Amino acid sequence: KNEVEQSPQNLTAQEGEFITINCSYSVGISALHWLQQHPGGGIVSLFMLSSGKKKHGRLIATINIQEKHSSLHITASHPRDSAVYICAVSRDGGSQGNLIFGKGTKLSVKP
Amino acid sequence: NAGVTQTPKFRILKIGQSMTLQCTQDMNHNYMYWYRQDPGMGLKLIYYSVGAGITDKGEVPNGYNVSRSTTEDFPLRLELAAPSQTSVYFCASSWAGAKNIQYFGAGTRLSVL
Repeated sequence: KNEVEQSPQNLTAQEGEFITINCSYSVGISALHWLQQHPGGGIVSLFMLSSGKKKHGRLIATINIQEKHSSLHITASHPRDSAVYICAVSRDGGSQGNLIFGKGTKLSVKP
Repeated sequence: NAGVTQTPKFRILKIGQSMTLQCTQDMNHNYMYWYRQDPGMGLKLIYYSVGAGITDKGEVPNGYNVSRSTTEDFPLRLELAAPSQTSVYFCASSWAGAKNIQYFGAGTRLSVL
């Protein structure tokens, strides 16, 4: 079983819809990251969080440490949000700081 | 500020050839990483470095070597390319430790035929 599981694997939405992507993990963590990979391949960090909730524009990330679960929400989705969204965790006690990645959720937003 | 720069962007190798994937960062980050991304799989750590002169293996190091002679540069060497090394390679850097955002390069798409 993968240490980081994302659902769904693929998601198609209509423009304007509210979108939720889920991430569950099975290890102790010091932080959880949400990243975005554009069709061109580049990866950018969206959020890093260790508790509670963070918001940036139309994106909201939440984490429940007790349940080992995080969600990424996109409000008023737009075709430019089409990308692969990746959940990754920094393992608690890991000195090297590397991330353990989920397989990603491919989002397609139709106009 | 260029961030993390990887070269080349694309490369086709024949089985048995060697090559070096270059990675440089201008943010004075201590930590640097090499990941590979295979279709349908999460990124996997190949090697990492916590500072100049210090490197260590990640999850999938076989067939690769690295060096870190300066803070800025972290090249990845493939000595005898194999089809199993066909992948997209990402270099990343961060200030230090597990609770820091990682900055990624644009990736190198490598095919070994």
